[in-house]
Amino acid sequence: SQWGEENLQALSIQEGEDVTMNCSYKTYTTVVHWYRQDSGRGPALIILIRSNEREKRSGRLRATLDTSSQSSSLSITAAQCEDTAVYFCATANTGYQNFYFGKGTSLTVIP
Amino acid sequence: GPKVLQIPSHQIIDMGQMVTLNCDPVSNHLYFYWYKQILGQQMEFLVNFYNGKVMEKSKLFKDQFSVERPDGSYFTLKIQPTALEDSAVYFCASSPPGTNTEVFFGKGTRLTVV
Repeated sequence: SQWGEENLQALSIQEGEDVTMNCSYKTYTTVVHWYRQDSGRGPALIILIRSNEREKRSGRLRATLDTSSQSSSLSITAAQCEDTAVYFCATANTGYQNFYFGKGTSLTVIP
Repeated sequence: GPKVLQIPSHQIIDMGQMVTLNCDPVSNHLYFYWYKQILGQQMEFLVNFYNGKVMEKSKLFKDQFSVERPDGSYFTLKIQPTALEDSAVYFCASSPPGTNTEVFFGKGTRLTVV
């Protein structure tokens, strides 16, 4: 399996709070993708962080990558109700042009 | 933005019958994927496809599964025969070359085997 400690988990927070989701992976990757999946839809990329980047920001999103510990995190600042979704991280196998998804975090933001 | 279209959105089929799931990938993409997701669970990789060939397949890609993209048209996943455990949502995806690019997903086809 590509994955280590990440398990499907459910988080419930109040609107306006900050939240961080973590994932760890077992095999080498040059990039970590973070996707969100809304109910009844396919995943959509929200942020991508390369192995030569330690941090990447996009609006209220912040991704980090620590290649030495093979872990990545996604933080959302001042969460809003529309952030309610399942968030997945995915690593890439460059040899096969393939992407492996972790189990995801189901985030619910309560108004 | 670019869209991956999947047809149909829901299909119900009797166990043991054949089913073909159709995907219309983004037009200039070269890599195609199928993922399986059971409700509330992880996206599980099934297979990826490039230049008319399967590049990699997972253990979930049983002998009853096959993929093809005849004449550059739909990218299809065929299951023959189907089993009850094949019930899931199947997502098709496509991407340009390189792993630093976005993978675009369709909305999925919900397959129910009865």
